[in-house]
Amino acid sequence: GENVEQHPSTLSVQEGDSAVIKCTYSDSASNYFPWYKQELGKRPQLIIDIRSNVGEKKDQRIAVTLNKTAKHFSLHITETQPEDSAVYFCAASRPPHGANNLFFGTGTRLTVIP
Amino acid sequence: NAGVTQTPKFQVLKTGQSMTLQCAQDMNHEYMSWYRQDPGMGLRLIHYSVGAGITDQGEVPNGYNVSRSTTEDFPLRLLSAAPSQTSVYFCASSYSRPGTSGSSYNEQFFGPGTRLTVL
Repeated sequence: GENVEQHPSTLSVQEGDSAVIKCTYSDSASNYFPWYKQELGKRPQLIIDIRSNVGEKKDQRIAVTLNKTAKHFSLHITETQPEDSAVYFCAASRPPHGANNLFFGTGTRLTVIP
Repeated sequence: NAGVTQTPKFQVLKTGQSMTLQCAQDMNHEYMSWYRQDPGMGLRLIHYSVGAGITDQGEVPNGYNVSRSTTEDFPLRLLSAAPSQTSVYFCASSYSRPGTSGSSYNEQFFGPGTRLTVL
């Protein structure tokens, strides 16, 4: 099965700085890579995702990059704000059930210091 | 539109007891899944369903049963609870639709979770 590794496990940045979280995956057939944000005591919520036919995707302050050859993908958050503080999870999935059968990384706790 | 709902929010069981965690969605989603979340381990897939009457095992299915008699409901049954099943359980649903390159068309919507403690 798929194995997703995520680093770092904790990350502290000053408000306004950038944050980068990295994930690797093992199954070359994986083709869908979402990122979820989970605030304390809340449910995970999708913030951005990317498919294997795209190398980069951006949504305002959040971007994701994918390197299929190296089997790694990264989340980039620019101009961080205190409300970005949360646990972030990467995930990967493969056909046939795609996003409905996700393998998650172990999470990164991001703290943005005002 | 309530989205994905789960009951109960909290539950304490004794070892050996059985119970059913309820999950329902009102978005007419084809796909539903159950995950468990343990500290330091992310979310792990227990069982999933691609439609009414169809279920399959995920990464950690042992000790759990599921059924999908309707599109809306996907209950998770613990047959004989064990302390190792202490966890937060999330139900999720999604639908499959075509999308352009890089678009989000399979977003999983998670329920609020059930915190289960097995003593």
